[in-house]
Amino acid sequence: QKEVEQNSGPLSVPEGAIASLNCTYSDRGSQSFFWYRQYSGKSPELIMFIYSNGDKEDGRFTAQLNKASQYVSLLIRDSQPSDSATYLCAVNNAGNMLTFGGGTRLMVKP
Amino acid sequence: KAGVTQTPRYLIKTRGQQVTLSCSPISGHRSVSWYQQTPGQGLQFLFEYFSETQRNKGNFPGRFSGRQFSNSRSEMNVSTLELGDSALYLCASSLGHGVNTEAFFGQGTRLTVV
Repeated sequence: QKEVEQNSGPLSVPEGAIASLNCTYSDRGSQSFFWYRQYSGKSPELIMFIYSNGDKEDGRFTAQLNKASQYVSLLIRDSQPSDSATYLCAVNNAGNMLTFGGGTRLMVKP
Repeated sequence: KAGVTQTPRYLIKTRGQQVTLSCSPISGHRSVSWYQQTPGQGLQFLFEYFSETQRNKGNFPGRFSGRQFSNSRSEMNVSTLELGDSALYLCASSLGHGVNTEAFFGQGTRLTVV
């Protein structure tokens, strides 16, 4: 059983819509959660991280964490074609050892 | 402020050879982690170095090793290369060692084993 699960997609949304990306994790002791964006052929780029239950907003991005349900999500408001990429969820359980999900491919259509 | 620098960007090696990859973290960052990314397995943690000491290790064979220098630069070595070692190798730079520390990735080294 994979420790961090993501729907591989593709998730297709129209330009201007809200994209909702989801991630579940198996280790109840997980402490911090990260969202990365990766364009094809490029390295992952950190979008934001969250470690407290609730919402955390940064510009058009909102991360949501529910530790009781072992669930973390990323909302992208006013989606743009430039947001089309693979979004990686990562969990930090110890030190700087990140466990990644397989990623969700997002396609934003003009 | 310079980002994370990995060299070389591309490598082609023959089975059985060994390879050394280099990573210079963001100035002031003391932790360097290494990851392997393949289409089949995704991103997998190799190991982390902090203050020249290996702090965590992933589930990879002993052919994969690393070290960190006093200036926080890190090297990763893979000996006796196998075809399955072909991957994008990424290093991540973090300010400290802890679960709430952000990690920033370099551009990666694309290794092809033939």
